[in-house]
Amino acid sequence: GESVGLHLPTLSVQEGDNSIINCAYSNSASDYFIWYKQESGKGPQFIIDIRSNMDKRQGQRVTVLLNKTVKHLSLQIAATQPGDSAVYFCAESTAGNQFYFGTGTSLTVIP
Amino acid sequence: SQTIHQWPATLVQPVGSPLSLECTVEGTSNPNLYWYRQAAGRGLQLLFYSVGIGQISSEVPQNLSASRPQDRQFILSSKKLLLSDSGFYLCAWSVNRDQPQHFGDGTRLSIL
Repeated sequence: GESVGLHLPTLSVQEGDNSIINCAYSNSASDYFIWYKQESGKGPQFIIDIRSNMDKRQGQRVTVLLNKTVKHLSLQIAATQPGDSAVYFCAESTAGNQFYFGTGTSLTVIP
Repeated sequence: SQTIHQWPATLVQPVGSPLSLECTVEGTSNPNLYWYRQAAGRGLQLLFYSVGIGQISSEVPQNLSASRPQDRQFILSSKKLLLSDSGFYLCAWSVNRDQPQHFGDGTRLSIL
């Protein structure tokens, strides 16, 4: 199966700072990537996605960077807020096949 | 807008009892539907997916089954629950397999 993992299981940041959450994948043919946010007791919430023909995509306060050379994906959150505290995980798929999900990084925002 | 509903939110069942978890989607037609299990500290594991009424694909052998009796209804079932069936079950939908999946808020299943 695919290997999708996160570099750090936990991350603590000060409110107002920027956060960077990383994800590594093993399949060089992976062509679609998604970041999800999951709050305690809730289902994952779609944040942003990126396809392999791009290396950067921006949303509201979030940016996803894709480095296909080293098979690395990152999520940057600008001006992190207490409401950003959650588990973040990446997912990847290849040619429309099933998604493989990482185990997640727990982000804690310190007021 | 599209919404997805799962119920119940929590469920405590004895070993050997049957199970029925329901998921419905509103605001879209002919969605792809998915059942996942999420274990603590592990990634989501795909259990079943469906591209249409009556069409179910199983990704892992298990004690569970799925059915899609209506276009926007997806049901996860078991005839006899095992202790190992405990977990957090998530339903999701997507427009197609190459689009983001959107999740419900899950059912926390505890087997005693």
